[in-house]
Amino acid sequence: DAGITQSPRHKVTETGTPVTLRCHQTENHRYMYWYRQDPGHGLRLIHYSYGVKDTDKGEVSDGYSVSRSKTEDFLLTLESATSSQTSVYFCAIRGFGGATDTQYFGPGTRLTVL
Amino acid sequence: DQQVKQNSPSLSVQEGRISILNCDYTNSMFDYFLWYKKYPAEGPTFLISISSIKDKNEDGRFTVFLNKSAKHLSLHIVPSQPGDSAVYFCAASGGTSYGKLTFGQGTILTVHP
Repeated sequence: DAGITQSPRHKVTETGTPVTLRCHQTENHRYMYWYRQDPGHGLRLIHYSYGVKDTDKGEVSDGYSVSRSKTEDFLLTLESATSSQTSVYFCAIRGFGGATDTQYFGPGTRLTVL
Repeated sequence: DQQVKQNSPSLSVQEGRISILNCDYTNSMFDYFLWYKKYPAEGPTFLISISSIKDKNEDGRFTVFLNKSAKHLSLHIVPSQPGDSAVYFCAASGGTSYGKLTFGQGTILTVHP
């Protein structure tokens, strides 16, 4: 158990509304990641963080922003949700020690934008 | 440009037989490869990995093979069990210090009793 929680687990919202998803970890890991999973695409990286206030864009970052004001929390914000952002969102942390390139995932948030 | 590809969307296998899942990659900078298993409504769970300095890694019923010249890796599950039915993703990393992973599209494995 990597000690990762995501909230909410499910959310339905309307087009144009802002949405914030939260990822919380209890292991004090430096690196955190946000992915989205869509049929036919696997998991695609949205944004990642390599420390408090240090973030960078991933493969599919348009329409998303992130913030990391403390080590344990990594927030993903959809400023104005669109139907194309309906997806399952996963947060992950990077392993350490002998498994530094292994990532461990949270349970996911299913977001529906109507 | 899909740098990691799993060309079989699904695979069906009888219990007790071998399951072989395949993955191809195009980026020569990748030097670490992983397999994840995902059940519905859960996050992906790490299964097994391999570094590019090896060509095989075993963990119980799971073995990953890496063919660097062909840019191909495969996951063998022997013997397959109904509880192995899940979506399997291969992933790759390398060429960056941030540990970013690039995933394949996934293969749905169904193991029939």
